[in-house]
Amino acid sequence: SQTIHQWPATLVQPVGSPLSLECTVEGTSNPNLYWYRQAAGRGLQLLFYSVGIGQISSEVPQNLSASRPQDRQFILSSKKLLLSDSGFYLCAWSVGAGELFFGEGSRLTVL
Amino acid sequence: GESVGLHLPTLSVQEGDNSIINCAYSNSASDYFIWYKQESGKGPQFIIDIRSNMDKRQGQRVTVLLNKTVKHLSLQIAATQPGDSAVYFCAENEGNTDKLIFGTGTRLQVFP
Repeated sequence: SQTIHQWPATLVQPVGSPLSLECTVEGTSNPNLYWYRQAAGRGLQLLFYSVGIGQISSEVPQNLSASRPQDRQFILSSKKLLLSDSGFYLCAWSVGAGELFFGEGSRLTVL
Repeated sequence: GESVGLHLPTLSVQEGDNSIINCAYSNSASDYFIWYKQESGKGPQFIIDIRSNMDKRQGQRVTVLLNKTVKHLSLQIAATQPGDSAVYFCAENEGNTDKLIFGTGTRLQVFP
């Protein structure tokens, strides 16, 4: 069966510090991978989308970047965090155009 | 860009009653729609989906209705239970891509 792991689950970072959130998928090959952000009490905003290794589409201009060094690994990064980067970050995968399977999320608080 | 909106931010229902959560979408090219349930502090979980060649699809205690004429999607939950309390999101695929665009969500509160 397929599983998705996302970590860390919670982190508190000072403004200007770097960020690295990791996501791995098991049990499937060549999945589409996604990073979403959810502000408190709000919907999910698509940040990045990848259809393969090294192929990243950025959906909104922002202070974040994403990388896909391996087929089932997706990393969300920032060199210098802003207060506005606080939120709940969700990694997800899919096979083609269909259901998204989400990780449990990473809650980031930037102080 | 295209967006998916929801008619009601919060819906309160009594346990045992039926719930109806509504969603409006704007992209007439979307051919796939999906409902997710998100409990506090967790990732969204799939509830039910529907493709544009269908008007209705039923699952266990849930039904999704699609009205392409008015670009409206609804989720019906029968015999709502306390465990149904969560935020519900509708989503549509962006044109003919693999990307899902989510609405802002409706919070369902179930009271005894």
